Amino acid sequence: QKEVEQDPGPLSVPEGAIVSLNCTYSNSAFQYFMWYRQYSRKGPELLMYTYSSGNKEDGRFTAQVDKSSKYISLFIRDSQPSDSATYLCAMTSVNAGGTSYGKLTFGQGTILTVHP
Amino acid sequence: DADVTQTPRNRITKTGKRIMLECSQTKGHDRMYWYRQDPGLGLQLIYYSFDVKDINKGEISDGYSVSRQAQAKFSLSLESAIPNQTALYFCATSDSGISYGYTFGSGTRLTVV
Repeated sequence: QKEVEQDPGPLSVPEGAIVSLNCTYSNSAFQYFMWYRQYSRKGPELLMYTYSSGNKEDGRFTAQVDKSSKYISLFIRDSQPSDSATYLCAMTSVNAGGTSYGKLTFGQGTILTVHP
Repeated sequence: DADVTQTPRNRITKTGKRIMLECSQTKGHDRMYWYRQDPGLGLQLIYYSFDVKDINKGEISDGYSVSRQAQAKFSLSLESAIPNQTALYFCATSDSGISYGYTFGSGTRLTVV
């Protein structure tokens, strides 16, 4: 079983819909949780990150982390055709000094299409 | 210019050939990584380097080797390419003080025939 599981979709929604993307993980040492967005023929770009449990909002995007359930989510409100991309969750642990071990573990990625 | 530059962007090679993928960065980051991406499998770590003298194997290093020529350069070699190494390859960098900030290159699409 992979350390991080993400439903690959594909997910197709109409413009304006609320999108929910999710990942589950098994390693309780993970402390930083990230969402990357990858457009076709491009490298992934960091969209949002959270540390430990809680919510973080940035415009139309909200990231949630529930460490007790080992479950993270990304919500996209008022989705736009320009949000069409692959969304990858990623996570990493840190050492006692709070420094990252550096390696990210990625989910499989969810392909999202928002149609006009 | 891009912060992380990968060359070539596309490459078709024959089974058994040696091939090198190159990565250079202008971010000043000390850490560099090579990942491969396959449909349905996400990004898998091949090798990573925390500085010029520190190179480590990732999850799927068999059949690959790397060289960190300088802080800004990290190359990936396939000594004898095989068809199941057909994939999209990404180089990434990060700063040792930041736990989440990977910067990726645009990728190299490699096809082994």
